[in-house]
Amino acid sequence: QKEVEQDPGPLSVPEGAIVSLNCTYSNSAFQYFMWYRQYSRKGPELLMYTYSSGNKEDGRFTAQVDKSSKYISLFIRDSQPSDSATYLCAMNRIQGAQKLVFGQGTRLTINP
Amino acid sequence: KAGVTQTPRYLIKTRGQQVTLSCSPISGHRSVSWYQQTPGQGLQFLFEYFSETQRNKGNFPGRFSGRQFSNSRSEMNVSTLELGDSALYLCASSYLAGEGTDTQYFGPGTRLTVL
Repeated sequence: QKEVEQDPGPLSVPEGAIVSLNCTYSNSAFQYFMWYRQYSRKGPELLMYTYSSGNKEDGRFTAQVDKSSKYISLFIRDSQPSDSATYLCAMNRIQGAQKLVFGQGTRLTINP
Repeated sequence: KAGVTQTPRYLIKTRGQQVTLSCSPISGHRSVSWYQQTPGQGLQFLFEYFSETQRNKGNFPGRFSGRQFSNSRSEMNVSTLELGDSALYLCASSYLAGEGTDTQYFGPGTRLTVL
């Protein structure tokens, strides 16, 4: 069983929809949680970073962490065609340690 | 600031050969990490270098090695290439000031194809 599970999709939604992306993890040692976005032929870029359980909002993006359930989510409001990409969740055990464990990635398409 | 750069962007090799990939981190960043990305396994951590020392290592065979130079530039080497080594190799750099969690900035990757 992988430490981090993420539904690979693909996920296709109409423009303007609310998108929900999720990851579950098995190792309670994970403390830092990130969401990356990766466009085709590009490297991943950091979207959101969270530490504690709860919600963190940044524009149209909201990251949610539930450590008790070992479950994290990324919500995208008012989705745009430019949001079409692969979204990867990533986790880290120790602050500053650069050894991220990634989910498989969910391929998202926003249809105009 | 210029982003993380990786060279070459594309590479084709045959089984048994060796390959060296290069990564130049963002100016001022001292940590460089390498990841392998494949459709089947996703993104997997290879190793991390900080101040020319390997600090963390993933679960990859000894054929995968790396090093970091005094200017923080890093190289990774794969010897005796296998078909399964075909992947996108990503380099990420971070500042690592020691306080807070440091964001990793990824380069565009090197696409390695082993024939």
